[in-house]
Amino acid sequence: DGGITQSPKYLFRKEGQNVTLSCEQNLNHDAMYWYRQDPGQGLRLIYYSQIVNDFQKGDIAEGYSVSREKKESFPLTVTSAQKNPTAFYLCASSSHRVNTEAFFGQGTRLTVV
Amino acid sequence: AQTVTQSQPEMSVQEAETVTLSCTYDTSESDYYLFWYKQPPSRQMILVIRQEAYKQQNATENRFSVNFQKAAKSFSLKISDSQLGDAAMYFCAYRRRNRDDKIIFGKGTRLHILP
Repeated sequence: DGGITQSPKYLFRKEGQNVTLSCEQNLNHDAMYWYRQDPGQGLRLIYYSQIVNDFQKGDIAEGYSVSREKKESFPLTVTSAQKNPTAFYLCASSSHRVNTEAFFGQGTRLTVV
Repeated sequence: AQTVTQSQPEMSVQEAETVTLSCTYDTSESDYYLFWYKQPPSRQMILVIRQEAYKQQNATENRFSVNFQKAAKSFSLKISDSQLGDAAMYFCAYRRRNRDDKIIFGKGTRLHILP
C-alpha cells in the first residue's frame, strides 16, 4: 500500500541533544513538508522540499534542519538551538500534477525533558 | 503573503443537525486550490474535500459540502446530518495551482458533536 510513514510515534530526548525524525513516502511525490502542531496554533510550516537536493525554509525554520537526498525521504533534525522543541510533528507529501492535496503521516510526538 | 483564517476556535452541534465552519483566506492569485482536512483524536490528518478555484461549482462529498465565494475569499464547510464520528479538529488549507509551493493551513476549528 502506498503511503507516508513517520517514525517513531513517540520520542523522548534530553534537553541539549539533537534528534532526527524520520519521514518516508512511497507515493512517488515530488514535494514533501514538515509541519509543527501546537495547541491553538494550527499547523505551522517548518521546511518544505519540491525536488531532491533542494528545500526551502517555512515560517518557523529556526532550530531545525532537513535534507532531501532521496525522493522518498525527508528527515527533520531538531537541534539544540530550537528553544521549545516539545510538540507534535507532521510530515506530508504531495504531487504537483494530480491530487494536489497533502497526504500526511501519523505524526511524531517529541518530548524534550 | 497568503494567509488562511479560521475565526471559530470551537463549535458545537447537536447530532443529526447541520453545522457550518468558516474559513477566509487572503491571496493575490487567481488560480489555486482550497482544502478542508479533518483531524480526529488519533491525530491522523484526513482530506475531507477539495475545491479548485477555477471551478464555480461548489464541491460536495456525501454529507460535506462547501460554499466557495471567490470574490469574498471565503470557503466554508457545511456538515449535514452531523454524526458522533465527525467530532474532530477541522483545518482549512490553501495552495497555489501549478506552482512549486507550500500548503498553508489555518489554526483550526474544534467541532464537538452533542448526543
